[in-house]
Amino acid sequence: RKEVEQDPGPFNVPEGATVAFNCTYSNSASQSFFWYRQDCRKEPKLLMSVYSSGNEDGRFTAQLNRASQYISLLIRDSKLSDSATYLCVVNSEGFGNEKLTFGTGTRLTIIP
Amino acid sequence: DADVTQTPRNRITKTGKRIMLECSQTKGHDRMYWYRQDPGLGLRLIYYSFDVKDINKGEISDGYSVSRQAQAKFSLSLESAIPNQTALYFCATSDQLQGARFFFGPGTRLTVL
Repeated sequence: RKEVEQDPGPFNVPEGATVAFNCTYSNSASQSFFWYRQDCRKEPKLLMSVYSSGNEDGRFTAQLNRASQYISLLIRDSKLSDSATYLCVVNSEGFGNEKLTFGTGTRLTIIP
Repeated sequence: DADVTQTPRNRITKTGKRIMLECSQTKGHDRMYWYRQDPGLGLRLIYYSFDVKDINKGEISDGYSVSRQAQAKFSLSLESAIPNQTALYFCATSDQLQGARFFFGPGTRLTVL
């Protein structure tokens, strides 16, 4: 079983719609969680951290369910500029020894 | 100017050749990493370094070596390139306080024929 699993998509979603991605992780001792965004042929960039209580950043909401070992990302009122691949990232080590494991990514295309 | 730079950006080489990929950063971060990305496999860690005197193998270090020449420089070498090392290679940095926030370079696309 992969350490971090994501639905690869692609998700083709009309502009203005709401879309959600899930990601599961296998290591129950994982410490912290993130969503990174990667545009085509570009480097990944941090989108947001995922906190236990859930967190929002504008149109983006991230949730963590430790019991079921999954994290989610919700994008509301999607924009054309949201088209990208979204990488689920899990840190399995403690503070000071961070080691990130990346999911394979979920490709999102926003359709005009 | 970019905070994390990689050279070359693209390289085509032949089987058996020695290749060096270079990474430089101006962020002042102690930690540097080399990843490769393949379609369907995501980013996989090759080597990482938490400071100049520290070098650690990642999950796929076979066939690769690294050198941390200075805090700002971390190079990746393929001693004898083979076709299955064709991939997109990323260098990344992070610091101790925000160790899980990675800053990636623009990537090097390597093709081994």
